[in-house]
Amino acid sequence: DAKTTQPPSMDCAEGRAANLPCNHSTISGNEYVYWYRQIHSQGPQYIIHGLKNNETNEMASLIITEDRKSSTLILPHATLRDTAVYYCIVLISNFGNEKLTFGTGTRLTIIP
Amino acid sequence: ETGVTQSPTHLIKTRGQQVTLRCSSQSGHNTVSWYQQALGQGPQFIFQYYREEENGRGNFPPRFSGLQFPNYSSELNVNALELDDSALYLCASSSRGQDYGYTFGSGTRLTVV
Repeated sequence: DAKTTQPPSMDCAEGRAANLPCNHSTISGNEYVYWYRQIHSQGPQYIIHGLKNNETNEMASLIITEDRKSSTLILPHATLRDTAVYYCIVLISNFGNEKLTFGTGTRLTIIP
Repeated sequence: ETGVTQSPTHLIKTRGQQVTLRCSSQSGHNTVSWYQQALGQGPQFIFQYYREEENGRGNFPPRFSGLQFPNYSSELNVNALELDDSALYLCASSSRGQDYGYTFGSGTRLTVV
């Protein structure tokens, strides 16, 4: 079973910041938070991951609460191409041999 | 650096038949995982291969089997196809010892009629 809870859908205006929440209240101390997205008819795409510090890369920022029970993925300036299903996943980053347990994700729609 | 490639992209099979799906892993990756994604659902883990051996399996029956080759490419075989096997089959490669996440292919859309 997925260890995360996400809203099923969200809308965001083009050019605005999209903030996608994720609850992972049972996360263990050695589990990372990963975010992937899946654009229609494509395979999931890695976005970002973190353990306890906030992380930023060229795609997004990840904000993890101090108690690590929830996190927020931020797409700073959403474009139409960001329309996708976003999955929040927790796993032990055991260097590439951990299975990914996907939930149903959040369907983000960017509105022109 | 090449990504993960899967073949074929689409496939139609008849119930009871057998199918083989193929995956070439990303350059430098030595681990391959397979996922099944039914319409409207998130991907479900089938199994993972490392060093040509199965290394972890999800809740799938034995008629789902796989292989990994010395060049790290992989095959997924499904015997005695059922209508519920209709799905998008995704291959993901990764590299043990490197915390870079998983790279997915675009998948094979299998339809069983």
